[in-house]
This record gives sequence, structure tokens and C-alpha cells, in this order.
Amino acid sequence: EAGVAQSPRYKIIEKRQSVAFWCNPISGHATLYWYQQILGQGPKLLIQFQNNGVVDDSQLPKDRFSAERLKGVDSTLKIQPAKLEDSAVYLCASSLEWNFSYEQYFGPGTRLTVT
Amino acid sequence: DQQVKQNSPSLSVQEGRISILNCDYTNSMFDYFLWYKKYPAEGPTFLISISSIKDKNEDGRFTVFLNKSAKHLSLHIVPSQPGDSAVYFCAASGSGTYKYIFGTGTRLKVLA
Repeated sequence: EAGVAQSPRYKIIEKRQSVAFWCNPISGHATLYWYQQILGQGPKLLIQFQNNGVVDDSQLPKDRFSAERLKGVDSTLKIQPAKLEDSAVYLCASSLEWNFSYEQYFGPGTRLTVT
Repeated sequence: DQQVKQNSPSLSVQEGRISILNCDYTNSMFDYFLWYKKYPAEGPTFLISISSIKDKNEDGRFTVFLNKSAKHLSLHIVPSQPGDSAVYFCAASGSGTYKYIFGTGTRLKVLA
């Protein structure tokens, strides 16, 4: 079974530029998550999708971050414009369903450096 | 407000001995807990879970204990192996939310 795929693996941009990350979840997983992990901290949930609908985006900085999951499969997370404090690893995860405590399966992450 | 805390940022253990990683939480509504292991440059990998209706769950060398009254859980690894060297995160979710709150992680180093 293929795991969660993410690209790119690394990205370096200057502040005020924009960037986009892509995620392909495990086949058949209805729920998709984007997390931000700042160095020395645990992953923090940014947004959670069930199929192509948003379940929770309460911690997504909506003035600069956006995410979509067209057709309920792949997802993209965008930051525009980026700030220095956005430097982090962005993790995508998927699970079978959101309304039961299923384990989440993580991709390798995208390490973003904002200079 | 850190609802899930791992107060030990690092731990070193000799190969073959027991590793005990601790996690405390503050929200009494949390009822499902997970442990993840993370190697450098990889995403976290699910290790073991426990529901609040249990106080212990075992899977091979890994056992998780839950003390609901103390709002504390621990992960025991016996015997510890060098390949267990990684960062371990605990995560908790509450009934009705199914949104996981992660701790800050504990870096385990198993010495050969």
C-alpha cells in the first residue's frame, strides 16, 4: 500500500513570496489533514478535510494560508505572502474517517525555510 | 495553553534496558491517545494507541499505560534497541472532536 505522498520535500523562499505544497493521501482515505511543525514543537493542526469539505480550519491563518481538496483526493496548501515565522515542516496526513478515532498516517513533510 | 505535555525533551537508555516516556494532559475530555515515532526527515509513524476505557495496551515490545485520574500516560519499550532511537510524540483527542493535540516530543537515544 502506497503511503502519503508530499512534494516538494524542501523549499526555500524569501519573505512576502508565495509557496504551494501538494499532498496525495492513501487511496481510500476520506480524511486529510495539514499540520505545521515548528522546530522543537509537536505538529499543530492547520486544517482537516472530510472528502472535499472542511471539517476544521480554526487554526489556519486565513489571511495568508489557504487550502483546497478538489475531488476529495489530492490537496494543496498555499501560503501568500510568506513570513519568517512560517518556517516549519508542513506535514500532510490521512485517515479512513474523521468521526472515529482512526490513526493518522503521515507523509514525509515539506521543510519550508523563509529568509 | 499546552494541553498535552512531554516534560522530558530527551532520554538516553542502554540497549536492552527499559525506556519509559511520559506524557501529561490537562483536558479531561480527551479519551483517545496515540504514540508516534519520528525519524529525521520522515513523517511521524503510528506506534500504539489506547482508549480511555482501558488502562493498558500492549503491542510487542511497546506498552502504553493510562492513568486517567492523574491525566498521565506512559510508553514503555522493553527491551530497548538502537533502532528505537527517534523522537516520540504523544497525541490526544476528545470525544466528538477527533482532532489530535500533539505534545512537544521526547528524543530517545538508545546506546549500544
